[in-house]
Amino acid sequence: GDSVTQMEGPVTLSEEAFLTINCTYTATGYPSLFWYVQYPGEGLQLLLKATKADDKGSNKGFEATYRKETTSFHLEKGSVQVSDSAVYFCALSDQTNAGKSTFGDGTTLTVKP
Amino acid sequence: EAQVTQNPRYLITVTGKKLTVTCSQNMNHEYMSWYRQDPGLGLRQIYYSMNVEVTDKGDVPEGYKVSRKEKRNFPLILESPSPNQTSLYFCASSFSPGQGARETQYFGPGTRLLVL
Repeated sequence: GDSVTQMEGPVTLSEEAFLTINCTYTATGYPSLFWYVQYPGEGLQLLLKATKADDKGSNKGFEATYRKETTSFHLEKGSVQVSDSAVYFCALSDQTNAGKSTFGDGTTLTVKP
Repeated sequence: EAQVTQNPRYLITVTGKKLTVTCSQNMNHEYMSWYRQDPGLGLRQIYYSMNVEVTDKGDVPEGYKVSRKEKRNFPLILESPSPNQTSLYFCASSFSPGQGARETQYFGPGTRLLVL
């Protein structure tokens, strides 16, 4: 079956540091890939997504590129802020089995001033 | 305001006492889904619905039931809750899974359930 593996957390960074959160996946079909963010006490919300190989998703300074050859979708940001502190989930939706969604375990990011 | 609402937000119950968690969306989405979030396990899909009267099992359906009689509502039913169902539950909806831009899921605020 499909699976998503995220780098283990938690991750603690100083403000303006560079962020990378690794995500790799296995899927039987041709998945769409997502990063969702969960702020404390809230539900998840979409951060960015990519629907085919080599696509780059971007939003709020975050970027991730769909790499089919390495089955990866790593999240990056050049300069994090305290307000980026949250839990980040990598997820996939497999087009050959529409309806099934697979999420990673989540990575908790804390940014200190 | 476009949103997914869940009720209740917090619930404490006892083993075996049937309960229902409601989920409603006002975006005319075809697809709805339930997840549970547990520490170290991420989000796991319980059930999903592609449209009215069409539901299917996710990865962890045991002990849960769902129904989709109306497009906007997708209640989660625990017929006989057990302590291992203590969790944080999220409902989500989207236009059309598997269709690129239309498959972004919108999540509700969550329901925290404690089963004693």
